[in-house]
Amino acid sequence: GAVVSQHPSWVICKSGTSVKIECRSLDFQATTMFWYRQFPKQSLMLMATSNEGSKATYEQGVEKDKFLINHASLTLSTLTVTSAHPEDSSFYICSARLTGGFEKLFFGSGTQLSVL
Amino acid sequence: DAKTTQPTSMDCAEGRAANLPCNHSTISGNEYVYWYRQIHSQGPQYIIHGLKNNETNEMASLIITEDRKSSTLILPHATLRDTAVYYCIVRVVEGNKLVFGAGTILRVKS
Repeated sequence: GAVVSQHPSWVICKSGTSVKIECRSLDFQATTMFWYRQFPKQSLMLMATSNEGSKATYEQGVEKDKFLINHASLTLSTLTVTSAHPEDSSFYICSARLTGGFEKLFFGSGTQLSVL
Repeated sequence: DAKTTQPTSMDCAEGRAANLPCNHSTISGNEYVYWYRQIHSQGPQYIIHGLKNNETNEMASLIITEDRKSSTLILPHATLRDTAVYYCIVRVVEGNKLVFGAGTILRVKS
């Protein structure tokens, strides 16, 4: 089956620093990738849709200048949390959709971000 | 995308069938029913999807009522490793987004 690799699995950073999370589709090309965040005991919340070669589309209430998304190739999307604060501590998950395939999404294993 | 309603939690005995219901009374004709699950601290995993016919794969069966207003995910022989949050989602197949609701916490007990 299709594999989505997310890196790092967990990261601890100081308040005010920036953190980059990578999402790679290992064995398929993904025109579209999605970024979610999840707080403890809550459901996944869609943050943005990332399209290869174009600007990401952010969901209402998500700050695009704080959560920078880049989708430079068909196999890689990155999420950068800029000037991180403790309230940004969360579980971030990416997913990818097969190019030309609409049936299902494949998810990464997630990144636990802790901002001190 | 249509909204779904699922029970907050369910328990199931190991080895027995787990039947997880989902209501989607506002589903429209071009919306599919998808099921994903999320094991603790991992990314969601695709299980199955369907439009109006019942579906079966190696993981589960999906039963959709004739009026399509509800569905049931069936795990035929639940194991402890099936303990997870199960999400029922409806969306247009060409739709770009997958929006998660609260899901059902399934606890499989020995």
